[in-house]
Amino acid sequence: QKEVEQDPGPLSVPEGAIVSLNCTYSNSAFQYFMWYRQYSRKGPELLMYTYSSGNKEDGRFTAQVDKSSKYISLFIRDSQPSDSATYLCAMSFTGGGNKLTFGTGTQLKVEL
Amino acid sequence: GAVVSQHPSWVICKSGTSVKIECRSLDFQATTMFWYRQFPKQSLMLMATSNEGSKATYEQGVEKDKFLINHASLTLSTLTVTSAHPEDSSFYICSASGGQTDTQYFGPGTRLTVL
Repeated sequence: QKEVEQDPGPLSVPEGAIVSLNCTYSNSAFQYFMWYRQYSRKGPELLMYTYSSGNKEDGRFTAQVDKSSKYISLFIRDSQPSDSATYLCAMSFTGGGNKLTFGTGTQLKVEL
Repeated sequence: GAVVSQHPSWVICKSGTSVKIECRSLDFQATTMFWYRQFPKQSLMLMATSNEGSKATYEQGVEKDKFLINHASLTLSTLTVTSAHPEDSSFYICSASGGQTDTQYFGPGTRLTVL
């Protein structure tokens, strides 16, 4: 069993839809959670970073963490074609840029 | 957010030659830098972690004599692929953390093709 599980997709949605991306993890020692967006042939771009259970909102993005269920989510509101990318969840035991454990990534396509 | 650059963005070389990739943190001091490789449609695979002024720590299965990492300053780390072979062709990505940053920030990646 992988430490972090993420559905690889692909996930295809119409423009304007609300997108829900999810990861589950098995190690309760993970305390810091991140979502990265990666366009094809580019490096990952940090979207959201959180270390507490609950919701964190930034523009159209909301990150949700449920430590009791070992489940994290990223919601994208009013999805746009420019959101088409691969979304990677990542987590670490401590903050400060320590070693990250990644999910496999979910490929998202937002269609006109 | 913190900015990390990589150079070159792509490189093609002949088998047996060595290639150096640079990773720079542009607006913060990176006490720790990480090197990853990524194959098509796969997630990132951590190769090594380097702290400024110290030897890099390599992940299991990564040949340290083949992938030489130097982190000589707080803003620069280099990865040298020595005696490159076609199987070394991949997308190499660095990340950096340190200072006021709270997680890793990634560079744009370097695509290496070995003929």
